[in-house]
Amino acid sequence: KAGVTQTPRYLIKTRGQQVTLSCSPISGHRSVSWYQQTPGQGLQFLFEYFSETQRNKGNFPGRFSGRQFSNSRSEMNVSTLELGDSALYLCASSPLIGTGRETQYFGPGTRLLVL
Amino acid sequence: GDSVTQMEGPVTLSEEAFLTINCTYTATGYPSLFWYVQYPGEGLQLLLKATKADDKGSNKGFEATYRKETTSFHLEKGSVQVSDSAVYFCALSDRGSGNTPLVFGKGTRLSVIA
Repeated sequence: KAGVTQTPRYLIKTRGQQVTLSCSPISGHRSVSWYQQTPGQGLQFLFEYFSETQRNKGNFPGRFSGRQFSNSRSEMNVSTLELGDSALYLCASSPLIGTGRETQYFGPGTRLLVL
Repeated sequence: GDSVTQMEGPVTLSEEAFLTINCTYTATGYPSLFWYVQYPGEGLQLLLKATKADDKGSNKGFEATYRKETTSFHLEKGSVQVSDSAVYFCALSDRGSGNTPLVFGKGTRLSVIA
């Protein structure tokens, strides 16, 4: 079974631009979560989607948004990019949501550099 | 809110040495506990997990036991290899309190030298 895929793998943008990142979960998985990884802050939760509905949101400004499609694929968008948005953005999928025992399967990430 | 504290390292060991990476947590509910590993340039891979007290997770020679009384989930391996060089993250999931899917520690970088 194919793993979680993320596109693009690398991205360079300038301040003020916007960016869209894509995540395709493992086939059959309906839950998708996004995390931001930076050297200073570590891994921080962005949002979680299940069946096209946002179920959880982390403590990030409104410039960060996301959505999930009927095929469970997910996108996240960052508008008005800032230098501090430079990070590795990780997507994770799981079959279900809510028990706490489910394993999150991570993709390779999209590395975003904002100049 | 929930949190995870782990030794930040870096940890440098010789091949075949014993490894311990400490992890403690605070949670309002009854969390599941995880260890993830990140190799250079890659995403996170689940190493092992435990979902209730006294459970022992194990994989690839790594072990960790869920200790509710000490709120700990320390990672151990009896004999490390150069290929174990990576960053290790301890994490918890505490759905009962409506928290995020995973709350991570800061990560511990392990370097194993031949």
